Amino acid sequence: AQRVTQPEKLLSVFKGAPVELKCNYSYSGSPELFWYVQYSRQRLQLLLRHISRESIKGFTADLNKGETSFHLKKPFAQEEDSAMYYCALYNNNDMRFGAGTRLTVKP
Amino acid sequence: GAGVSQSPSNKVTEKGKDVELRCDPISGHTALYWYRQSLGQGLEFLIYFQGNSAPDKSGLPSDRFSAERTGGSVSTLTIQRTQQEDSAVYLCASSLSGVYSNQPQHFGDGTRLSIL
Repeated sequence: AQRVTQPEKLLSVFKGAPVELKCNYSYSGSPELFWYVQYSRQRLQLLLRHISRESIKGFTADLNKGETSFHLKKPFAQEEDSAMYYCALYNNNDMRFGAGTRLTVKP
Repeated sequence: GAGVSQSPSNKVTEKGKDVELRCDPISGHTALYWYRQSLGQGLEFLIYFQGNSAPDKSGLPSDRFSAERTGGSVSTLTIQRTQQEDSAVYLCASSLSGVYSNQPQHFGDGTRLSIL
């Protein structure tokens, strides 16, 4: 079965520090991976998807099939990045979300 | 409307009562999803619809939960004989096409359900 694991429920960094939110998945095929974000008092929304290979709000995520990971990274965290982040995997008509990581960026 | 609309935004009810939650997806979106977000938990998948049919009901936590979708649009999630553990935020999402397609899901604000 497909599984998405976000090992850190809480992550706290200082403003300007690099941040990495970990996501590991279990699936042997070629899944599509996403990161969703929920800012305080806002709706859950798509942040980025691996097929787009894009950088959104300074965040990037690289799919590493060897390590089955899709970690979300940003070189210099900002206070406005504080939010709940969910990693999600889609494959073959099935989509799974991880448990989420709450990122807090301290001033 | 421009986005996914859910109602009510908040619902407080007594244990044992039935509740009905409503989701109005983005116009033209054929796929609709229900999730539950509990304190300290992630997003728990409940059910999805492709059009009016729900091929996958495996995520419903018990037979007290049911959902329907009519006209390929509005969906209702019904919880019968509510229990305190049903307290959570119930999120609805819709996507443009396909069953769990790789189209991004657009989420509503959710219904915060509190069982006393």
